[in-house]
Amino acid sequence: TQLLEQSPQFLSIQEGENLTVYCNSSSVFSSLQWYRQEPGEGPVLLVTVVTGGEVKKLKRLTFQFGDARKDSSLHITAAQPGDTGLYLCAGDRAGNKLTFGGGTRVLVKP
Amino acid sequence: DVKVTQSSRYLVKRTGEKVFLECVQDMDHENMFWYRQDPGLGLRLIYFSYDVKMKEKGDIPEGYSVSREKKERFSLILESASTNQTSMYLCASSLDRGPLYGYTFGSGTRLTVV
Repeated sequence: TQLLEQSPQFLSIQEGENLTVYCNSSSVFSSLQWYRQEPGEGPVLLVTVVTGGEVKKLKRLTFQFGDARKDSSLHITAAQPGDTGLYLCAGDRAGNKLTFGGGTRVLVKP
Repeated sequence: DVKVTQSSRYLVKRTGEKVFLECVQDMDHENMFWYRQDPGLGLRLIYFSYDVKMKEKGDIPEGYSVSREKKERFSLILESASTNQTSMYLCASSLDRGPLYGYTFGSGTRLTVV
């Protein structure tokens, strides 16, 4: 049983559309991290959110940490083909030991 | 450019073989981790280490062991490879134990056990 549930598992959209990926848990985490992984490569850190209710923006990507620090969302505005990849959320249980969600595979078609 | 290097991108081993997966980081990071990644299951923590010669079991340590003789190197050992250990293995490192520290991952080793 995964502690972090991501939804949807797969998302296919046209270039220019918006999308949101959700990461939910019944557990409280000290931080929540988002990674993007491309085929044949390891995940790459996008952002870390620490405070409940925190919102961080990275160009067209907006990350939000839930008030209770149990959930998070990633919103991409005007998606581009370069946003294609596997998006992973990860919660810090304690001592920098991360639990990962199952991932959301995003395909942005030109 | 700082990085984590895994010695092999692809490996094919036979059932029962002893398998060594090597990982080296050049960032002077304290923590190192081994995960396996399987479709539908995400990344699962096998072992981790907060310091040289220190190791702790993760969520799925059965059938694996690790070695960290030097700060920069963390090895994963499959004592007797089995087909259910066919997977993508990812090594990661992080600077310290606080919640702000993200992981730097290697490119992964895709292991097939036949």
